Amino acid sequence: AQTVTQSQPEMSVQEAETVTLSCTYDTSENNYYLFWYKQPPSRQMILVIRQEAYKQQNATENRFSVNFQKAAKSFSLKISDSQLGDTAMYFCAFASGGSNYKLTFGKGTLLTVNP
Amino acid sequence: DADVTQTPRNRITKTGKRIMLECSQTKGHDRMYWYRQDPGLGLRLIYYSFDVKDINKGEISDGYSVSRQAQAKFSLSLESAIPNQTALYFCATRGTLDTEAFFGQGTRLTVV
Repeated sequence: AQTVTQSQPEMSVQEAETVTLSCTYDTSENNYYLFWYKQPPSRQMILVIRQEAYKQQNATENRFSVNFQKAAKSFSLKISDSQLGDTAMYFCAFASGGSNYKLTFGKGTLLTVNP
Repeated sequence: DADVTQTPRNRITKTGKRIMLECSQTKGHDRMYWYRQDPGLGLRLIYYSFDVKDINKGEISDGYSVSRQAQAKFSLSLESAIPNQTALYFCATRGTLDTEAFFGQGTRLTVV
């Protein structure tokens, strides 16, 4: 079974600065997807960024980027120029690439952006 | 209108009562999932369905049952609610060729 570990229950950052959220995972599969979801106080689950395991290039979405280290099974999220609206719970998630697609989530990191 | 709709959004019920949480989607996806979120535990999979005739247990299915009434509808039932089922429940869907899953707005369930 796959596991996803987020070792930072809470983090804080000053507005406009950069912060990195850590995530490691364990799997024996070679074909899979990795995701970062954001959950603001509205409780909606919002996809921030995704990475296909077969792609060597790290995914980037505006101020959000990942550092995907496949051999180390590490998938960290970097948020640049942090904004107050980035305050949220962030979940790292794994999904198998085959027909048996199920999301496995980490326990989350609560990020607070301070003015 | 949301593509994945959960009803109710919030519910308070008493211990021992039967309750059903409903999920409907307009995305035409064949795969549907029910997750439970607890503080400090992330989201955990309760049940999932890959089509109308396919229902599978997730990691925490005890105390829950599901029904896939149609491709667009997937309901979660608590036959006899207990306080430790107090949680935030999410429905999600995914198309066969999609990379990502799409989530409903969540149902906050409180069992007193």
